[in-house]
Amino acid sequence: DTGVSQDPRHKITKRGQNVTFRCDPISEHNRLYWYRQTLGQGPEFLTYFQNEAQLEKSRLLSDRFSAERPKGSFSTLEIQRTEQGDSAMYLCASSSGAGTERGEQYFGPGTRLTVT
Amino acid sequence: AQSVAQPEDQVNVAEGNPLTVKCTYSVSGNPYLFWYVQYPNRGLQFLLKYITGDNLVKGSYGFEAEFNKSQTSFHLKKPSALVSDSALYFCAVRRNTGGFKTIFGAGTRLFVKA
Repeated sequence: DTGVSQDPRHKITKRGQNVTFRCDPISEHNRLYWYRQTLGQGPEFLTYFQNEAQLEKSRLLSDRFSAERPKGSFSTLEIQRTEQGDSAMYLCASSSGAGTERGEQYFGPGTRLTVT
Repeated sequence: AQSVAQPEDQVNVAEGNPLTVKCTYSVSGNPYLFWYVQYPNRGLQFLLKYITGDNLVKGSYGFEAEFNKSQTSFHLKKPSALVSDSALYFCAVRRNTGGFKTIFGAGTRLFVKA
């Protein structure tokens, strides 16, 4: 397994358009997380899944954001009617939750979104 | 509510000297604490964690961190800094029960001068 992958790596879109990002976690990991990171800040929690269940969603996440993990494997994050304030790096991470790896997250390279 | 504070935006240290990157946290109940590192143009990498047990935890690349419950701190340390340690370091916290929401600090940039 080569780690967590994200697609696309970069996305430029016009304000008002919808965008969708994909994350493929490490295959044996049952937990998957989405974060948003802006310049000079740490990752900001958006949501997480255990298998296919979305167990927590940040209150900061507006209704324009939705995430799915339909089969407990890959996940998608959709942003509807994008705004310039959505410009950020969107990070995906996965974790095992078991044994010696309990708690630690493995991050993908991120998708950089630019809204013009 | 959970929160993490990294009081220093940047830490400068000479190569070979010890380094400390500070982190304090707030969480209800007992914490899980983490340090992650971000090198330029690379993703976040796990460095070390405190779950339970010994307050001094050792991680990758010779880094260690000490959990201090009374001071709610989890400072990152290394006895002898390398130029290659220059990177952005993030402290993170989550509760040990009731969910997996993880809160990250704003990050501290470590600059090691040769």
